[in-house]
Amino acid sequence: GDSVTQMEGPVTLSEEAFLTINCTYTATGYPSLFWYVQYPGEGLQLLLKATKADDKGSNKGFEATYRKETTSFHLEKGSVQVSDSAVYFCALSRMEYGNKLVFGAGTILRVKS
Amino acid sequence: GAGVSQSPSNKVTEKGKDVELRCDPISGHTALYWYRQSLGQGLEFLIYFQGNSAPDKSGLPSDRFSAERTGGSVSTLTIQRTQQEDSAVYLCASSLGTTGWGQETQYFGPGTRLLVL
Repeated sequence: GDSVTQMEGPVTLSEEAFLTINCTYTATGYPSLFWYVQYPGEGLQLLLKATKADDKGSNKGFEATYRKETTSFHLEKGSVQVSDSAVYFCALSRMEYGNKLVFGAGTILRVKS
Repeated sequence: GAGVSQSPSNKVTEKGKDVELRCDPISGHTALYWYRQSLGQGLEFLIYFQGNSAPDKSGLPSDRFSAERTGGSVSTLTIQRTQQEDSAVYLCASSLGTTGWGQETQYFGPGTRLLVL
C-alpha cells in the first residue's frame, strides 16, 4: 500500500540556519503531496502542497518540490525562526482512494535563539 | 463557521462506556474525514464520507467504532465499550470533494482529546 517515510527527529537548529526535512513516498499513479504543520497546542495546518510532478509548493518561506523520479518531497527553508518550532508531517493522497491522507511519522523541529 | 469545529475538545471516560465525538465541517465541503493521532501509531485514517455515504471505512480499528453523517454536514464518531487503547486525539477534516482536481486539500479541526481510564 501507499506509504510515506520522513526523517526522524527531533531536528534542532539555531535561528537563521537552513532547514531540510526529507520525505519520500511509495505510491502508484500520481498522488498529491502535502506538508502539514502542528504548532505546540494547535491543530494541523496545511503548510504547502503540490499536485503534479515538478510542481513546487511554497508558503511562509518554506518550499518543497514534487520529484517523481526520486519519489521525494523534501521540505526546505533558508532561514528558520524560533516560531517555526513545530511538528511537520509529510503526507500523500490519491483521488482514486477518496483523497484520504497517508501521513509520515512526523518530524519535530526545535529552533534555538 | 469559518473552520472545522469539533466537540467536545476533551473527554475523559471510564473503560466500557460509550462516547460520541462530533464534527462540524466547513460549509459547502462535501467530503469529511476522521483520523486518529496517538503516540504509538502516529496519524491514522479511520473513515471518510462523500456526502452522507462512507465509501471507505477501512481504517476503523474494530466494530466498536462507527460513524455517520447526516444532511451532508455534521458527522458523529461513536466508540462503544471504550478501551484504554482508544485513548488518542480524534481529528476531523473536510474538503470540497473527492472526485475533482483541486478538491483534495483537507482542513482540520482542533481535535477531541479522548482519555479512557
